Amino acid sequence: NAGVTQTPKFRVLKTGQSMTLLCAQDMNHEYMYWYRQDPGMGLRLIHYSVGEGTTAKGEVPDGYNVSRLKKQNFLLGLESAAPSQTSVYFCASAGSTEAFFGQGTRLTVV
Amino acid sequence: GENVEQHPSTLSVQEGDSAVIKCTYSDSASNYFPWYKQELGKRPQLIIDIRSNVGEKKDQRIAVTLNKTAKHFSLHITETQPEDSAVYFCAASMGTGFQKLVFGTGTRLLVSP
Repeated sequence: NAGVTQTPKFRVLKTGQSMTLLCAQDMNHEYMYWYRQDPGMGLRLIHYSVGEGTTAKGEVPDGYNVSRLKKQNFLLGLESAAPSQTSVYFCASAGSTEAFFGQGTRLTVV
Repeated sequence: GENVEQHPSTLSVQEGDSAVIKCTYSDSASNYFPWYKQELGKRPQLIIDIRSNVGEKKDQRIAVTLNKTAKHFSLHITETQPEDSAVYFCAASMGTGFQKLVFGTGTRLLVSP
């Protein structure tokens, strides 16, 4: 049972490049979330999903898009990366009890 | 908008002392309040949670209290140990069920031997 797995773990992008972060969960959870973590700012919610085929904006959605085509996967896309998107990104999934986090993705935009 | 405020941002205590971290939330419909611990370089992990139909919950040295009227909840750690040093996050589930899970800005706890 892998829990919540994020791919990749590390990535360096040039300004203007695009990329997709993948979050996969094997717990049949309905809810999935993408957060970014920056020093002193905690975990800020980017987008979330309450079920397959649904997505909603969180606190800081600008510059990001998401898709939940399959229940087990939640994709986070950056269409044109900016240095301000340098951060650690965490995915989480939740059923009816608690939310579990992935191991994080450290993204640097240069 | 919906948000969770957390205080203090840093907290230093001596081993054996108690530590208290406080959070307030804005959405009166929130009904689930977890606390997460994050060690350096690791993912956040749940340490205790409370639902809106309960006022207090305890698990060994940690406890959480909830005041729905005032919209605030607190984490209490007694008999602190150096391994309690970490960043602690509170969160609130906005709306019914899990829905939108919003976190506070975190508290860095340092327990000195």
